[in-house]
Amino acid sequence: DIQMTQSPSSLSASVGDRVTITCRASQSISSYLNWYQQQPGKAPKLLIYAASSLQSGVPSRFSGSGSGTDFTLTISSLQPEDFATYYCQQSYSTLWTFGQGTKVEIK
Amino acid sequence: QVQLQESGPGLVKPSETLSLTCTVSGGSISSSSYYWGWIRQPPGKGLEWIGSIYYSGSTYYNPSLKSRVTVSVDTSKNHFSLKLSSVTAADRAVYYCARYSGSLIYDAFDIWGQGTMVTVSS
Repeated sequence: DIQMTQSPSSLSASVGDRVTITCRASQSISSYLNWYQQQPGKAPKLLIYAASSLQSGVPSRFSGSGSGTDFTLTISSLQPEDFATYYCQQSYSTLWTFGQGTKVEIK
Repeated sequence: QVQLQESGPGLVKPSETLSLTCTVSGGSISSSSYYWGWIRQPPGKGLEWIGSIYYSGSTYYNPSLKSRVTVSVDTSKNHFSLKLSSVTAADRAVYYCARYSGSLIYDAFDIWGQGTMVTVSS
């Protein structure tokens, strides 16, 4: 299996802050990396696919980068609706795996 | 617009089999671009992929659950199903069904059901 490790597990930030979440794969996955946002009590929502492509309808303050084993999700200016948990997921292997999640909380 | 809806018992007894169905509306489950999958989330924890199926019947399972999982598809009813045998309290979770788009554009779970909570208790 390809293991996905996110850091940090949680963070506190204020509205307007720049936030960065990292995801590391246990082996190279090229750019086969997706990011999801999950609001409490809701299903996850696809934010970014193929490491850096924004899903339709997702605000441009979200961006992704990386390739190989190291990836980053950045929120350029945190908004109130962005307080949520974020997951990375590899799509390199058909044995799909998720990171453990990063909870973004209000400071 | 494609929508997914999970259905099935919310309570299962220990050692019995959990059975859920995901009905696809607004699109065909037989499209060659998609896989159909199950993901679960124990309370307060992260997402765990359980298994996926292609409309042709090819299946892919999480190795940690493979011995207990069966995912099947019924193209005539436009739905797919999950069976998880020999459940224990550790299988208590919200179970999501999701569409996985394996297209030239992207490979990702792009549409999700709302999720259904399953509790294991006698």
